[in-house]
Amino acid sequence: DIQLTQSPSSLSASVGDRVTITCRASQTTSSYLNWYQHKAGKAPKLLIYGVSNLQIGVPSRFSGSGSGTDFTLTISGLQPEDFATYYCQQTYNVPLTFGGGTRVEIK
Amino acid sequence: QVQLQESGPGLVKPSETLSLTCTVSGDSMTVYYWNWIRQPAGKGLEWIGRIYTSGTTNYNPSLKSRVTMSIDTSKNQFSLTVNSVTAADTAVYYCARSQGFRAAATVYYGMDVWGHGTTVTVSS
Repeated sequence: DIQLTQSPSSLSASVGDRVTITCRASQTTSSYLNWYQHKAGKAPKLLIYGVSNLQIGVPSRFSGSGSGTDFTLTISGLQPEDFATYYCQQTYNVPLTFGGGTRVEIK
Repeated sequence: QVQLQESGPGLVKPSETLSLTCTVSGDSMTVYYWNWIRQPAGKGLEWIGRIYTSGTTNYNPSLKSRVTMSIDTSKNQFSLTVNSVTAADTAVYYCARSQGFRAAATVYYGMDVWGHGTTVTVSS
């Protein structure tokens, strides 16, 4: 199985901040790396697929980058509605796996 | 607008079988993968497995011996059963659709539609 390690596991930030979350894979996932946003009590939401491709309707302040085993999700200008937990996911191999999550909290 | 809705018992006794159904509305079930994911309280997301509209399945090896998925496209439903449950199977269970997205020359699969989740507690 491909293990995904996210860091940090949680962070505190203010509205307007630039936030960066990293996801490291135990082996290459090529470019098959997605990011999701999950708010408590709601369904997870696909933000980015294929490392850097924004899902329709996702604000452009979200961006993704990376390749191979190291990936980054960046939120440029954090908004109140962005406080949530973020997960990376690899679809390169079965079983599909998720990172442990990064909780973004209000400072 | 496509919607998914999980249904099934919220309480299952240890050693018994957990059965959940996901009903799809607003679109055909063809050419997609249909997934089950779960989240124990305070923990992250765990992929349980997926079924294609043809009936082909992939399961997480961590659960494979206990899991069965099925699909009934005539009813717009797919289902999950987990045998011999223990307290470790207590979680919120989500169903989700995987769609292929083309970017350049590659198709990437992402879970673009999710149900709201259903809580299953394993307890006597």
